[in-house]
Amino acid sequence: AQSVTQLDSQVPVFEEAPVELRCNYSSSVSVYLFWYVQYPNQGLQLLLKYLSGSTLVESINGFEAEFNKSQTSFHLRKPSVHISDTAEYFCAVTFHYNTDKLIFGTGTRLQVFP
Amino acid sequence: DTEVTQTPKHLVMGMTNKKSLKCEQHMGHRAMYWYKQKAKKPPELMFVYSYEKLSINESVPSRFSPECPNSSLLNLHLHALQPEDSALYLCASSQDRTGLDYEQYFGPGTRLTVT
Repeated sequence: AQSVTQLDSQVPVFEEAPVELRCNYSSSVSVYLFWYVQYPNQGLQLLLKYLSGSTLVESINGFEAEFNKSQTSFHLRKPSVHISDTAEYFCAVTFHYNTDKLIFGTGTRLQVFP
Repeated sequence: DTEVTQTPKHLVMGMTNKKSLKCEQHMGHRAMYWYKQKAKKPPELMFVYSYEKLSINESVPSRFSPECPNSSLLNLHLHALQPEDSALYLCASSQDRTGLDYEQYFGPGTRLTVT
């Protein structure tokens, strides 16, 4: 069965420090990969996505993620975090044969301290 | 316009009430979704409409009744809910006419409290 694992439920970090949020997936079929961010009392916003092509994808606010097929991972990184990055981050996958089913990981709470 | 709107933002209802949640998108997307999200949990898929037809029902209790009146609108009718149904209800849409955009665009959600 397909699944997404985010091992870290919480990641505390000081402002301007680097951060990595881990995501691993399990699937026997080809996938598309996403990172969504959810700020308190809001809906989900797409941070970045991997559909095909370059395995390194970047967002406009400094986040990047690398698709590693052999390790079935899609870890999210930022070299220097801001207080405003404090939020819940969800990794998600959907499948080439059925893009309507989006499988979410359990989420990682990124808490940035001053 | 890349926005999904949801109304109302907050809803408090009793267990005998009937209410509806509304979702709207004007991106020409063919698929629309309802999700339920409990605190500190990921969204759980409830229903999917594709080209205005119900394509996925994730074994949701019948007290939740979805409706897709047209390609831009999605409703969720609520009746005889239980307190455990209190949650954030999220609407999403995806897939424009190119069929190449697999991202789901989420609305801000309706915070539902059942008393």
